[in-house]
Amino acid sequence: SQTIHQWPATLVQPVGSPLSLECTVEGTSNPNLYWYRQAAGRGLQLLFYSVGIGQISSEVPQNLSASRPQDRQFILSSKKLLLSDSGFYLCAWSVGQAAKNIQYFGAGTRLSVL
Amino acid sequence: SQQGEEDPQALSIQEGENATMNCSYKTSINNLQWYRQNSGRGLVHLILIRSNEREKHSGRLRVTLDTSKKSSSLLITASRAADTASYFCATAALRGSTLGRLYFGRGTQLTVWP
Repeated sequence: SQTIHQWPATLVQPVGSPLSLECTVEGTSNPNLYWYRQAAGRGLQLLFYSVGIGQISSEVPQNLSASRPQDRQFILSSKKLLLSDSGFYLCAWSVGQAAKNIQYFGAGTRLSVL
Repeated sequence: SQQGEEDPQALSIQEGENATMNCSYKTSINNLQWYRQNSGRGLVHLILIRSNEREKHSGRLRVTLDTSKKSSSLLITASRAADTASYFCATAALRGSTLGRLYFGRGTQLTVWP
């Protein structure tokens, strides 16, 4: 069966520090991968999505970046965190045609930038 | 915006009552999905309804779709305290460069009192 791992679960970082959040998927090949951010009490904002290794699409210009070094690994990074980067970060995956675009989510990372 | 918008933003009911949440969207869609999110957790897919379907059932869930009005509703029958969560609708675009993406609304916070 397929599983998605996202870590860490909670992170507290000072302003200006770097960030690296990792997401891995097991049990499937060539998944579509997504990074979302969710502000408190709000919906999901798509940050990045990837349809293959090295293929990253950015939705929102910001100081975050994403990389996909391996088929089932998706990394969210920042060189210098801002206060506004605080939030709940979710990784998700999907496979198959867009017509059946069910996404499966990780447990999320709560990031607090202080 | 292609995002769905849920209504109401918050809903509070007693156990055993039915809960109805609505979603409106603006563009042509391939399908519409409903997700559930427990507090501080990732989203879990509940049900998908295709653009050529009008109604779908899954256990205590009933989803309707009216493409002429660009709206959908999620009905949870005989609610339980364990149904307390946020519920999101998400639309899959029909065509264009956004093919394969999902657009999430801001969600309805459902509270079911025992």
